[in-house]
Amino acid sequence: EVQLVESGGGLIQPGGSLRLSCAASGFTFSRYSINWVRQAPGKGLEWVSYITSSGSTIYYADSVKGRFTISRDNAKNSLYLQMNSLRGEDTAVYYCARVRGVALLVSYMDVWGQGTTVTVS
Amino acid sequence: QSVLTQPPSVSAAPGQKVTISCSGSNSNIGNNYVSWYQQLPGTAPKLLIYDNNQRPSGIPDRFSGSKSGTSATLGITGLQTGDEADYYCGTWDSSLSAGVFGGGTKLTVL
Repeated sequence: EVQLVESGGGLIQPGGSLRLSCAASGFTFSRYSINWVRQAPGKGLEWVSYITSSGSTIYYADSVKGRFTISRDNAKNSLYLQMNSLRGEDTAVYYCARVRGVALLVSYMDVWGQGTTVTVS
Repeated sequence: QSVLTQPPSVSAAPGQKVTISCSGSNSNIGNNYVSWYQQLPGTAPKLLIYDNNQRPSGIPDRFSGSKSGTSATLGITGLQTGDEADYYCGTWDSSLSAGVFGGGTKLTVL
């Protein structure tokens, strides 16, 4: 079964740091780009970050640029999101999602994890 | 404020048809492909439509997508109570170099 499983969420004080993980199974992880997407309580989806299959290209939303770092370990079939200088507005469910499409302009997310909750308070 | 604009809510009776609009600009919808996601209460989003109008396997043909210029539309026919969910459009914005979503539309099947 193709699956993504997030972990690492929790309650953290403002200014603190947290590292999220996303474990992939059921597919060749090293062949796919991945997005992090978050959803604040009662709010819509917000794209957070993108990383290519090799990790050579990375993008961030302006709201997290300079504070969050996306990375991956293809040998461990794992994706990470290092979150520093956390703020109340970072409180959300964080999803990792597999990216399909030959280029970003035609990309979409076909597999999503169940999400991990980050609460900054 | 979302880059893509969707109506906050739509509603229709069971068996009827509904459309959900998604408006953007040349830097996103106008030149890139649109995807749609369904989020049932308490669950993760699920891919519904990709490449503007393509359905993944397992998605019934009651769901359709279209795009014209800088706007996209999701259509759902033969509404069922199980279709009650939040629906999001998404794409890449070439000017922002960022993924963008609409604010989401809550579908109520009366």
